[in-house]
Amino acid sequence: GDSVTQMEGPVTLSEEAFLTINCTYTATGYPSLFWYVQYPGEGLQLLLKATKADDKGSNKGFEATYRKETTSFHLEKGSVQVSDSAVYFCALVGSGGGADGLTFGKGTHLIIQP
Amino acid sequence: NAGVTQTPKFRILKIGQSMTLQCAQDMNHNYMYWYRQDPGMGLKLIYYSVGAGITDKGEVPNGYNVSRSTTEYFPLRLELAAPSQTSVYFCATKGQGANQPQHFGDGTRLSIL
Repeated sequence: GDSVTQMEGPVTLSEEAFLTINCTYTATGYPSLFWYVQYPGEGLQLLLKATKADDKGSNKGFEATYRKETTSFHLEKGSVQVSDSAVYFCALVGSGGGADGLTFGKGTHLIIQP
Repeated sequence: NAGVTQTPKFRILKIGQSMTLQCAQDMNHNYMYWYRQDPGMGLKLIYYSVGAGITDKGEVPNGYNVSRSTTEYFPLRLELAAPSQTSVYFCATKGQGANQPQHFGDGTRLSIL
């Protein structure tokens, strides 16, 4: 079945540092890929998405590019802020249509120190 | 602008008790989902629904039941609570279209003692 693997956390960075959170996936066909963010005590919020190969999703300074050849969707941000501290989830929806829900990675806890 | 509303936010149950986790949405979405989130394990799909009157099992359905009599509500029922069901439960909705994102509620934190 489908699966998502993302780097283990916590990841601790200083403010204004460059961020990369790795995500790779296994799926048949052409899944849609997502990054969700979860702030403490809250539900998940969509951060960005990409629906086909070579698409780049972007939002709030975060970017991720759908790489079919490496089955990857790494999350990047050029200069992180303390307010970016959260748990980040990489997820996919299979090419079957998505009715059966998202497949999530285990999440990466990001801590940004001032 | 409520979106997806889950109640209660917190609950402690004794082993063997039953309860219903409520989920309501005002987005008129056909697709609804229940996930559980365990520490360090990401989210696992329990049940989902593609419309009123239609439900199906996800990855971890054992010990749970759902119903979907209307578009707006998708309650999750625990009949005989067990310690293994201690978790944070999230309800989500999705609009029509394979690439639409899911919208999540704030979750219900459930402890079984």
